[in-house]
Order: sequence, then structure tokens, then C-alpha cells
Amino acid sequence: EIVMTQSPATLSVSPGERATLSCRASQSVSSKLAWYQQKPGQAPRLLIYGASTRATGIPARFSGSGSGTDFTLTISSLQSEDFAVYYCQHYNNWPPGRFTFGPGTKVDIK
Amino acid sequence: EVQVVDSGGGLVQPGGSLRLSCAASGFTFNRYSMNWVRQAPGKGLEWVSYISSSSSTIYYADSVKGRFTVSRDNAKNSVYLQMNSLRDEDTAVYYCARDWSASFFDYWGLGTLVTVSS
Repeated sequence: EIVMTQSPATLSVSPGERATLSCRASQSVSSKLAWYQQKPGQAPRLLIYGASTRATGIPARFSGSGSGTDFTLTISSLQSEDFAVYYCQHYNNWPPGRFTFGPGTKVDIK
Repeated sequence: EVQVVDSGGGLVQPGGSLRLSCAASGFTFNRYSMNWVRQAPGKGLEWVSYISSSSSTIYYADSVKGRFTVSRDNAKNSVYLQMNSLRDEDTAVYYCARDWSASFFDYWGLGTLVTVSS
């Protein structure tokens, strides 16, 4: 089973600053990685899939990079609505249909 | 507009049963696989179950295998999660989510809270 880790657990950032979140897989997942944003009391929202493709309607300040085992989600200039918890998820299982999430990174206001 | 509406949560005693429902609209339901994902209070996301578009392939997380059963009715655009032998640790918000070809989850329900407590 592929284990996902995320760092840091909490990231304190000032509005307008850049945020860099890390996700690591215990073995290669190729580019089969997604990122989600979750705000308190809300369902998760898909941000990025295929490691770097923004989902429909996601602002350009969100970008994803990486492949293999190391991935990064970057928020170029944090807006007030971006303070949330971010999860990565891989989908490189065979056969497909089983999924694993990372433990999440909380981005809060500095 | 794609909509996923999950329902059926509530308070149940340990050892009891509950059936969750998920109604989908705005897309061709019988072409998509569906999932249940849960989140315990204050915790992260845990995938629970997957059902393919034709119900031919079904998977469960080890934590619920043998106790939970997923099913779907394509005529009703609905997916269900029958939960038996419920435990305290099953307490969570349960989300129904559509996946894109057994990969990422592109649409989610708002979630339904299941509380297992005596």
C-alpha cells in the first residue's frame, strides 16, 4: 500500500504571501495525484489533478508540480478565501478503484 | 449542473445499522463510478468504498470490509451504502463522490453525519 505524507502539518501565511505545500508518496505514483481544498463545514473541492492540471474554475494562483514521489501545491498570493485544509490523494493503484489521501496541511492566517 | 446529494445519516447505537443514500443529477449517471469517503470529527479524509458504473467492480477499505455494502440503482441515479455492525469509530461525516474514471473525485455531496453512540 502506498502511504502519503504531507508537510508541514500547519502553515501560517500572511495574506498576499506565497504558500508552498508538500506531498510525498512512499513509492512512485507517476503523475496520478490530485489536490483538494476543504474549508470548515464544507465538502472537499478538487483543485488539481494529474499533478499539475487545474480543475474547472480553479484560479490560476493555484499550481501543482512534481511526479514520482514528490509533489508541490503552490498558492502564489494567498487570498482570504484560501485559508483551509489541503489534501493530496493518489490514484495509482492497480487495479484502479482504491484511493489514499494524505493527512492534510492546514493553511492558517499568520 | 452536476449535483450529488447524500442523505440518511443519524444517531445509531453500536452494533446497529444504517443505510445512506446518494442521489445524482446533471450527468449520465450510468457512465460514472461512485464512491463513499468519510471524515471523522477533526480528522482527515478516508476513502470507504468504490462501485463501478455497472456495479461489476466493488472495493472497500479494510476498515469496513465485511460490514458495509455499496450498491447502486442506475434507473434511479442513486448509490447506497448499507452499514451494519456499526462501531464508535465509524462516527464521521460520509460524503458521496463521483470519480473520473477511477481516479480523482470531481464532484462531492455535502455530506451526511453518522454518529455511533450509546
